[in-house]
Amino acid sequence: QVELVQSGGEVKKPGASVKVSCKASGYTFTSYGITWVRQAPRQGLEWMGWINVYNGNTNYAQELQGRVKMTTDTSTNTVYMELRSLQSDDTAVYYCVRGGRGGPFDPWGQGTLVTVSA
Amino acid sequence: QSALTQPASMSGSPGQSITFSCNGSSSDRVSWYQHHPGKAPKLIIFEASNRPSGVSNRFSGSKSGNTASLTISGLQPEDEADYYCCSYAGARDVFGTGTKVIVL
Repeated sequence: QVELVQSGGEVKKPGASVKVSCKASGYTFTSYGITWVRQAPRQGLEWMGWINVYNGNTNYAQELQGRVKMTTDTSTNTVYMELRSLQSDDTAVYYCVRGGRGGPFDPWGQGTLVTVSA
Repeated sequence: QSALTQPASMSGSPGQSITFSCNGSSSDRVSWYQHHPGKAPKLIIFEASNRPSGVSNRFSGSKSGNTASLTISGLQPEDEADYYCCSYAGARDVFGTGTKVIVL
């Protein structure tokens, strides 16, 4: 079955970086883009950006430009999301999900909790 | 594009039907997601009114103008969750503000 499996939770200090992985299985990896979405505590879902897994093209949320980087490794069917200069309001559950650019998001990874705390 | 607007909460008794809106989407590429706390969101409607295989037919979607709507028929206790719409606009996907459905 189609599945996205994310890396485990992380605790980071303010100013640090985090890199979350998302390993896909059950479909042709390069046929679909991957979107990253986050949810801060008691907040709604926030679109972070999208990567074209086939050619590596990306589109990031304007508010994260300069701090976020999405990459892909087609040899391992894995997508990575790196967020730099972490602040407390980056504390959130981060999800990868197949799809985007108007296409439905399905399926979702299980989520990765990133906690930013001094 | 700012977030799409949804009512903060809706409630209903078991067996009732509820409908709530998602305002601000000019695209027909609207999808809806059910999100139980602590779990990953789940796709329940895509392209405004299409239901993925395996999703209960108690969920239905529609769209008129810039407003998309989600109807839950025959409300069940397990339908208590947060619901988000999502649309594509301005080269990015945008989520709605979310609606908490409470089953009384």
